[in-house]
Amino acid sequence: ETGVTQTPRHLVMGMTNKKSLKCEQHLGHNAMYWYKQSAKKPLELMFVYSLEERVENNSVPSRFSPECPNSSHLFLHLHTLQPEDSALYLCASSQLAGDTQYFGPGTRLTVL
Amino acid sequence: DAKTTQPPSMDCAEGRAANLPCNHSTISGNEYVYWYRQIHSQGPQYIIHGLKNNETNEMASLIITEDRKSSTLILPHATLRDTAVYYCIVRVKTGTASKLTFGTGTRLQVTL
Repeated sequence: ETGVTQTPRHLVMGMTNKKSLKCEQHLGHNAMYWYKQSAKKPLELMFVYSLEERVENNSVPSRFSPECPNSSHLFLHLHTLQPEDSALYLCASSQLAGDTQYFGPGTRLTVL
Repeated sequence: DAKTTQPPSMDCAEGRAANLPCNHSTISGNEYVYWYRQIHSQGPQYIIHGLKNNETNEMASLIITEDRKSSTLILPHATLRDTAVYYCIVRVKTGTASKLTFGTGTRLQVTL
């Protein structure tokens, strides 16, 4: 247990669905991150939030929409995804941006 | 962030020490060496990090050469549960958003 939880752990969705991934950290951290890990590929950073402000967006398509309502919660809203978006989506948090990051267990997403 | 080089795979007998090497010959003076591991389909787990001095915690020891161009992660008594992909990452600890750049890592297989 790292203090970072993600729900759901598994998600199957069609290309026309809208769904959201949730991440919650119980560590009192101020920075949160979304990563994507596709099969056989390294982790790719998607978004970074620091003190609830988005500070980094690594050329992620607009069908992925992050939301950080407070320092403990991070969402990733998904709509009109493609099959190639199937991957393990990982959330992480750190005390401040740049500090050691602690990861959640991930959400395994399959887009049909 | 500096590039790292790790062997793609290693084997270790249970109960023996696992020594995982990492080369980072272009490391800068303000860059830290971080180690994470990822057990199949789970989120990466932070292990240890260091700047210049050797470090030890309850999970592992980190030995950094004097010129800082390479390091070794040591798991003193490997168990089957240590089977994972181990990532060596070199990064600055900045006050603004920063990212962990995961390479392909070393796949450690611990055997009976």
